[in-house]
Amino acid sequence: GENVEQHPSTLSVQEGDSAVIKCTYSDSASNYFPWYKQELGKGPQLIIDIRSNVGEKKDQRIAVTLNKTAKHFSLHITETQPEDSAVYFCAASSSNTGTASKLTFGTGTRLQVTL
Amino acid sequence: DGGITQSPKYLFRKEGQNVTLSCEQNLNHDAMYWYRQDPGQGLRLIYYSQIVNDFQKGDIAEGYSVSREKKESFPLTVTSAQKNPTAFYLCASKRSTEAFFGQGTRLTVV
Repeated sequence: GENVEQHPSTLSVQEGDSAVIKCTYSDSASNYFPWYKQELGKGPQLIIDIRSNVGEKKDQRIAVTLNKTAKHFSLHITETQPEDSAVYFCAASSSNTGTASKLTFGTGTRLQVTL
Repeated sequence: DGGITQSPKYLFRKEGQNVTLSCEQNLNHDAMYWYRQDPGQGLRLIYYSQIVNDFQKGDIAEGYSVSREKKESFPLTVTSAQKNPTAFYLCASKRSTEAFFGQGTRLTVV
């Protein structure tokens, strides 16, 4: 099955700096890579996703890059703000028709943005 | 409002008791999932259902059971066979590839 590794497990940055979280996956059939943000005591919320036919996607201060050859993808947050502090999860899945489409998650990164 | 509702938010269980966690969605999604979250271990898949009256075991199904009698509902029962049930449980539903999560149920064994 799919295995997703995520690094670092904790990340502390100063407000205004950039944050980068990296993930690797094992199943070459995976073609969908979402990133979720989880605030304390709440369920994860999708913040950005990328499909395997795209190398980079941006949405305001956040961006995701994908390297299919190396099987890794990264989340970039620029101009970090205190409200960016949360736990971030990467995930991978295959959306091939006829197979069970399951999301496999990384172990999470706790991001702290300090003033 | 459309979304996924999990109840209760907090649940306490005595050892040896079965408890059922509720998950309801009004998003008209076919697929529903249960995940368990422990500190430092991310989200691990317990059970999932692609369609009514059908479900499959995930990676950590032992000690859990589910049913899917209605499209909107996917309850999870934590049985007395689950040796370490204290955790945060998350339900999700999926349209195509995007998953939507509920707010979770924190289960504590006392």
